[in-house]
Amino acid sequence: KAGVTQTPRYLIKTRGQQVTLSCSPISGHRSVSWYQQTPGQGLQFLFEYFSETQRNKGNFPGRFSGRQFSNSRSEMNVSTLELGDSALYLCASSQNSGAAARYEKLFFGSGTQLSVL
Amino acid sequence: DAKTTQPNSMESNEEEPVHLPCNHSTISGTDYIHWYRQLPSQGPEYVIHGLTSNVNNRMASLAIAEDRKSSTLILHRATLRDAAVYYCIRTGANNLFFGTGTRLTVIP
Repeated sequence: KAGVTQTPRYLIKTRGQQVTLSCSPISGHRSVSWYQQTPGQGLQFLFEYFSETQRNKGNFPGRFSGRQFSNSRSEMNVSTLELGDSALYLCASSQNSGAAARYEKLFFGSGTQLSVL
Repeated sequence: DAKTTQPNSMESNEEEPVHLPCNHSTISGTDYIHWYRQLPSQGPEYVIHGLTSNVNNRMASLAIAEDRKSSTLILHRATLRDAAVYYCIRTGANNLFFGTGTRLTVIP
């Protein structure tokens, strides 16, 4: 089985722009979750989508949004970019959501490194 | 998550056991404890998880304190390929909280 694929691998944007990142989960996985990783804040949960619906959301401003398509592929959008948005954005997939997902493995992609200048 | 704490770094000699601690003092009764590790330029990779009982798999063992406020990941024989950042994670029904991570250095 192919792993979780994230595109693009690297991205450079300027302040005020918006960006869209893509994540293709492992075949058969219906849950996709997104994470931000920075040297200062470490790994933080952004949100999770399951069957095209946002199920859970972390503590991030509304500039961070996402969606999931019927084939389970997901996109994450960040509008009005700020310097502090520079980070590695990771997505992960799993089969289930909610309580059943507490004991499931997450399969992570290699991430998209976003630099905001 | 400020309430899931790990030492910043640890060192181990190759072929020796390594015990990586994690404190999760605010864990709830239904939260699972997961461990992942991250190699440079890669996403985190699953290592092991548990709820209350100690767990073993081919990669590692997980020892969970009786009060569940701490856990220890045990690598029985460290190899150079085990050098990575190890994250302890609390997983609830609606969220998950990462520890700060421990950078493990394996000395040949």
